[in-house]
Amino acid sequence: AQTVTQSQPEMSVQEAETVTLSCTYDTSESDYYLFWYKQPPSRQMILVIRQEAYKQQNATENRFSVNFQKAAKSFSLKISDSQLGDAAMYFCAYRSFYTGANSKLTFGKGITLSVRP
Amino acid sequence: AAGVIQSPRHLIKEKRETATLKCYPIPRHDTVYWYQQGPGQDPQFLISFYEKMQSDKGSIPDRFSAQQFSDYHSELNMSSLELGDSALYFCASSLYTGGANTEAFFGQGTRLTVV
Repeated sequence: AQTVTQSQPEMSVQEAETVTLSCTYDTSESDYYLFWYKQPPSRQMILVIRQEAYKQQNATENRFSVNFQKAAKSFSLKISDSQLGDAAMYFCAYRSFYTGANSKLTFGKGITLSVRP
Repeated sequence: AAGVIQSPRHLIKEKRETATLKCYPIPRHDTVYWYQQGPGQDPQFLISFYEKMQSDKGSIPDRFSAQQFSDYHSELNMSSLELGDSALYFCASSLYTGGANTEAFFGQGTRLTVV
């Protein structure tokens, strides 16, 4: 079974600064997907960024980028130019690649990010 | 664009009562997932359906059952409710095509409170 670990329960960043959220995972599979989801106070689950394990290049989405280290099983999220609206709970999640229709997500415990004005 | 619709958004039930949560996936999506998120917890996978058949099962109590209908909407039925069932219940949907699933898009969740 796959596990996802987010060891930092809380982090804080100054507005306009950069912050990195850490995530490690454990799997015996060679192909898989990794995701970062944002859950603001509204509790909506919003996909921030996705990484395919077979891709060497780190994914980027505007101010959000990842550092994917497959050998180390590490998947960190970097938020640049932090904004007040970035304050939320962030979940790292894993999904198997070859499971057909059984594509459930396995989540980490999440990290609460606060942004100081 | 149409999103995943969950109803009701909020539900208050007493212990031992029954609750039914509904999920309407994004049009053309054929796969539905249910997750339970307790207070301060990460979402836990309960069950999923593909083309109206159960495709995977997680930590879903025997008191819960679910199904997917011909129009692809899904219902999660919860009986003999316990205080510990109080949680946010998410539904997500995706499209299975070409041997893989597209992204899972989440609904806004149903907040169930058992008193």
